[in-house]
Amino acid sequence: GAGVSQSPSNKVTEKGKDVELRCDPISGHTALYWYRQSLGQGLEFLIYFQGNSAPDKSGLPSDRFSAERTGGSVSTLTIQRTQQEDSAVYLCASSPHQAPNSPLHFGNGTRLTVT
Amino acid sequence: SQQGEEDPQALSIQEGENATMNCSYKTSINNLQWYRQNSGRGLVHLILIRSNEREKHSGRLRVTLDTSKKSSSLLITASRAADTASYFCATILSGGSNYKLTFGKGTLLTVNP
Repeated sequence: GAGVSQSPSNKVTEKGKDVELRCDPISGHTALYWYRQSLGQGLEFLIYFQGNSAPDKSGLPSDRFSAERTGGSVSTLTIQRTQQEDSAVYLCASSPHQAPNSPLHFGNGTRLTVT
Repeated sequence: SQQGEEDPQALSIQEGENATMNCSYKTSINNLQWYRQNSGRGLVHLILIRSNEREKHSGRLRVTLDTSKKSSSLLITASRAADTASYFCATILSGGSNYKLTFGKGTLLTVNP
């Protein structure tokens, strides 16, 4: 079956522009995560959606970052007024349910470059 | 700060040798997971070990967990060139409703043919 799909795979934008990154999770997966991975670094948690519950936004680095998940499926991560330090790979992952013993399924990420 | 820290940061071995990577963490966990990431790709789940388990096997992979030392190891036996990738440990903290998976910085494994 189809895995987690992210688009675009690469995005180059000028400093100050807004960008939208899209994630299509695996059908039926209720949990959705966004992570950020900078070069040579581990994954930095950004936001977590679970069903209809309020999202855990504790990892968003600033108010320029926001995310939505419409209809419990597709999610978009928006970065406003992009800065060069926002350059990174943004990874989306989904999971069948909320239980902690459920592995994450990752997309291949969106590589964002802010010039 | 990172909950999990992998050691070593980089490891280079010859095909056929075994590779051992270690992970240390700081607080009580519900479970610990290992993931693999090929260059330019997303992470792939390898194995999950619960806090009440001490050892788990999956094919050529063997994972151990020592909760008293807050550490885990991933052993890949009879390595292949295709095992070249970055390997990450990730933890779920115990208690409450915290299902946030926290990742270390990874070990870059290179298996030379």
